[in-house]
Amino acid sequence: GAGVSQSPRYKVTKRGQDVALRCDPISGHVSLYWYRQALGQGPEFLTYFNYEAQQDKSGLPNDRFSAERPEGSISTLTIQRTEQRDSAMYRCASSLAGSGDYEQYFGPGTRLTVT
Amino acid sequence: AQRVTQPEKLLSVFKGAPVELKCNYSYSGSPELFWYVQYSRQRLQLLLRHISRESIKGFTADLNKGETSFHLKKPFAQEEDSAMYYCALRQGTYKYIFGTGTRLKVLA
Repeated sequence: GAGVSQSPRYKVTKRGQDVALRCDPISGHVSLYWYRQALGQGPEFLTYFNYEAQQDKSGLPNDRFSAERPEGSISTLTIQRTEQRDSAMYRCASSLAGSGDYEQYFGPGTRLTVT
Repeated sequence: AQRVTQPEKLLSVFKGAPVELKCNYSYSGSPELFWYVQYSRQRLQLLLRHISRESIKGFTADLNKGETSFHLKKPFAQEEDSAMYYCALRQGTYKYIFGTGTRLKVLA
C-alpha cells in the first residue's frame, strides 16, 4: 500500500515568506509526528497528533511554527516569516497508534531552503 | 536532560569485518531504545528495538543499563549495510529523541 507522502519534496523560499508543508499519513494511522532535521543532525521532535488533537507541541521552536490536522488525516506544518535558520529537512511520520507498540513510518521528507 | 550520543560521525569497515556502532544515552526513567536506518535515496526506517530482542539483517543490539549503552553490532559487514544509522530513545509513548547519526561505509 501507499506509504506516508509529503509535499512538496523541495521548497525554496525567500526570507520572510510563509510556507506550508503537507503530510499525508498511511490510511488508518491515528498518530502523526513532525520532525526537523538540520544538516549533520538527527531528527528533532516538533509535534505529535493523536487523531486531530495536537497532544504535544513542545518541540515547535517558536510561535512562527504551527501545525494542524483538522480531520485526523492530512497534516500541515506552517512556518510564517521564514528565516534562514529554518532551512532543514522536515520529516513526517505516522503510526497505527501512539501507545508505543507501533512502528513509526516515515515520509520522504521536505527539503526547505530559505534564501 | 534526556540525550542520545553517537560519538562517531563516520565508520568505515571492510566487507566481512565486524561492525559496532556506538550509542550512549542518558534518561532518568526506564528507557526504550531503537535503531533507525536510512539507506541511500530511501526513507528513514526502523531497524530494531531493544524490547523485541530480535536480529534484523544480522544486526543485534543489547541494552546495557549499567553502561547506559545500546550499541549496534553485526559480526560480518556487507556492502549493502552502507547507510546512515540513528539511535533513538523514546520518552513516554510517542516522543523520540534521536542521536546525530553514524554513517557506515562498508568497503569492498
